[in-house]
Amino acid sequence: QVQLQESGPGLVKPSETLSLTCTVSGASVRSGGYYWSWIRQPPGKGLEWIGFTYYTGSTNYSPSFKSRVTISVHTSKNQFSLHLSSVTAADTAVYYCSRFTVDTTGHYFENWGQGALVTVSA
Amino acid sequence: SYVLTQPPSVSVAPGKTASITCEENNIGDTNVHWYRQKPGQAPVLVIYYHSDRPSEIPERFSGSNSGNTATLTISRVEAGDEADYYCQVWDSNSDQPVFGGGTKLTVL
Repeated sequence: QVQLQESGPGLVKPSETLSLTCTVSGASVRSGGYYWSWIRQPPGKGLEWIGFTYYTGSTNYSPSFKSRVTISVHTSKNQFSLHLSSVTAADTAVYYCSRFTVDTTGHYFENWGQGALVTVSA
Repeated sequence: SYVLTQPPSVSVAPGKTASITCEENNIGDTNVHWYRQKPGQAPVLVIYYHSDRPSEIPERFSGSNSGNTATLTISRVEAGDEADYYCQVWDSNSDQPVFGGGTKLTVL
């Protein structure tokens, strides 16, 4: 059973960098056919894709975040991470990590972490 | 690029059938996936590849996709089905996933 768990500070000051780690169990981040992704959900709003990484280190980011986001994979720890710089109150959200499946049946978010609420406030 | 349009809310009586739509021009030409998000919980994949279900999702959940509309259908609706539902596609032009705005299903 694949499980993902987000961890990191729940409070970040404006203009600083938000950093979260996702620990994967029950699967290897080295597995082909899966991308390791971050999605966020502002309070009361819908889902917003941030980006994903592959085990090779290649990345794909949403244009909405591209100038200030870095997603990295750490194969030795079976983890991947999110860094979002220059945060504002608009970045307050629940951040989810997810395993994104890419195969003949499509491209979809097969497994999700429970989510981590990050509040941006001084 | 895709802009997926979902109705903000759908209401249905217990035991009846709920239909949640996801609209975009020619959406029938691509694979559509659906997620359920209960209050305070993470989203869960309920339908992928138009109408396939993960093993833990009951047969009451089904999907269809044709023309400009994809539909998630929930038969014999139960109180526990009350949740937000999101559709999602892969935009091959921009190489990114796209979510619909979500539909809140209320069980009366």
